[in-house]
Amino acid sequence: QSALTQPRSVSGSPGQSVTISCTGTNSDLSASDYVSWYQQHPGKAPKLMIYDVSKWPSGVPDRFSGSKSGNTASLTISGLQAEDEADYYCCSYTGGNSFVVFGGGTKLTVL
Amino acid sequence: EVQLLESGGGLVQPGGSLRLSCAASGFIFSDYAMSWVRQAPGKGLEWVSGISGSGVNTYYADSVKGRFAISRDNSKNTLYLQTNSLRVEDTAVYSCAKDLDGIVGPTGTFDIWGHGTMVIVSS
Repeated sequence: QSALTQPRSVSGSPGQSVTISCTGTNSDLSASDYVSWYQQHPGKAPKLMIYDVSKWPSGVPDRFSGSKSGNTASLTISGLQAEDEADYYCCSYTGGNSFVVFGGGTKLTVL
Repeated sequence: EVQLLESGGGLVQPGGSLRLSCAASGFIFSDYAMSWVRQAPGKGLEWVSGISGSGVNTYYADSVKGRFAISRDNSKNTLYLQTNSLRVEDTAVYSCAKDLDGIVGPTGTFDIWGHGTMVIVSS
C-alpha cells in the first residue's frame, strides 16, 4: 500500500482541465516542500513534470501546474491534449524511515 | 547528452543475488545523489534505495532493508545495487534516477531516468 493516495483514474475531453490529487497518510505531505509529479507513457521512463510542489522543469509546458494544501497535493492539467494521456505519479520526500514515497499512480484518459 | 544506462538484470531463483549497474554520462556524477526505483509488471513506481553524491550516506525502503546494498564508484561514473535474498515480489524493472539537485541524499525529485533493467525472481 502506497503512503500517498491517488485516484486510480481520471478523464477529460480535449481542451478541458483535470486535477489529480495526492493525499498523504500522515502529515508527511504537509511538512514536505519536496513534492514532485511524474508522467509515464506505456513502456517509457517517467518524466519529471513538477517539482518542489509547483515548479516546472525546463521544457514542461505551463499547462501543467502543481499546488498543495495541507496534506494534499494536486496536479492540474489545463487545455488537455491527446498526448497527455498517460499515468501520473506523485512523489514526496518524507524523511524518517520512508525517505521517498510514490503515490499509487493515476491513469489519465483523454476522451 | 545526459544519460543513464542500467545493466545486470536477469532471471534468478528465490534466495539468489544479482548486481545491477547504472552507467552515467553527460553530468558531474559525484555532484548528485542517485536512487534506484523499481516498477513491478503492471504496477506503480516504488523507491528502493538512494545514496549521497559522495557515497557515504545510504538510504533504503523498508521492503529491501538488510537485503539490498547501494553503492557508487565516482571514478567510474557508475551506480550499483547489490540485491540479495531475492523474493518473488522483487520482480520488477529496476531503474536508476538522478536527483535534480540533492547531493546529501534523495529528495524524490528525479530529473533523469534510465530505461531500466528487468529482474525476474522465479523458480
